[in-house]
Amino acid sequence: GAGVSQSPRYKVAKRGQDVALRCDPISGHVSLFWYQQALGQGPEFLTYFQNEAQLDKSGLPSDRFFAERPEGSVSTLKIQRTQQEDSAVYLCASSLVGNTVETQYFGPGTRLLVL
Amino acid sequence: AQSVTQLGSHVSVSEGALVLLRCNYSSSVPPYLFWYVQYPNQGLQLLLKYTTGATLVKGINGFEAEFKKSETSFHLTKPSAHMSDAAEYFCAVTSGSARQLTFGSGTQLTVLP
Repeated sequence: GAGVSQSPRYKVAKRGQDVALRCDPISGHVSLFWYQQALGQGPEFLTYFQNEAQLDKSGLPSDRFFAERPEGSVSTLKIQRTQQEDSAVYLCASSLVGNTVETQYFGPGTRLLVL
Repeated sequence: AQSVTQLGSHVSVSEGALVLLRCNYSSSVPPYLFWYVQYPNQGLQLLLKYTTGATLVKGINGFEAEFKKSETSFHLTKPSAHMSDAAEYFCAVTSGSARQLTFGSGTQLTVLP
């Protein structure tokens, strides 16, 4: 596809369940970012990959959050033992090379609701 | 450290009126500044960005923004609002070696007929 795609678009989980969110970046894009957007807030950085290497995970809120990009393309964000405070929209973005001035292209997001 | 403040979480304008969305930033090194727009159930789309050079930046859909270092501002304007401009707008900053964007909390723009 031409843009960043994410699946599922919506996910309802019971508290304590594990979830996995998928991101397909634009083909050929080296850099991939995950952001968390709480209701009424701007996106907040979670983690950053360059190819398969996770170069920055400083934004992950706890060790229940884990992200991977094993082949340098598709990425998965996993949340273990979900809590109600994890309810948010999770946005994935990709950029061609990953330098500071590059445009990041965003997917539509996965809306996670933890009951 | 870097941060963004967007003044006014909700702005309403009449169709055809001037749009002004305010953004102030904080950065210890020269910033790179972005405006993104988000329509319901869609991802963020880049409107425009400032990196270096000309401080008045023109973007898509008739929007423009001016980088004012002395005021640490990057306000977004459009001379004449259209109904299709109704959306949420986010200002973002990055700088130095940082790759990630730091976003403001957003401004919801309503365009009244």
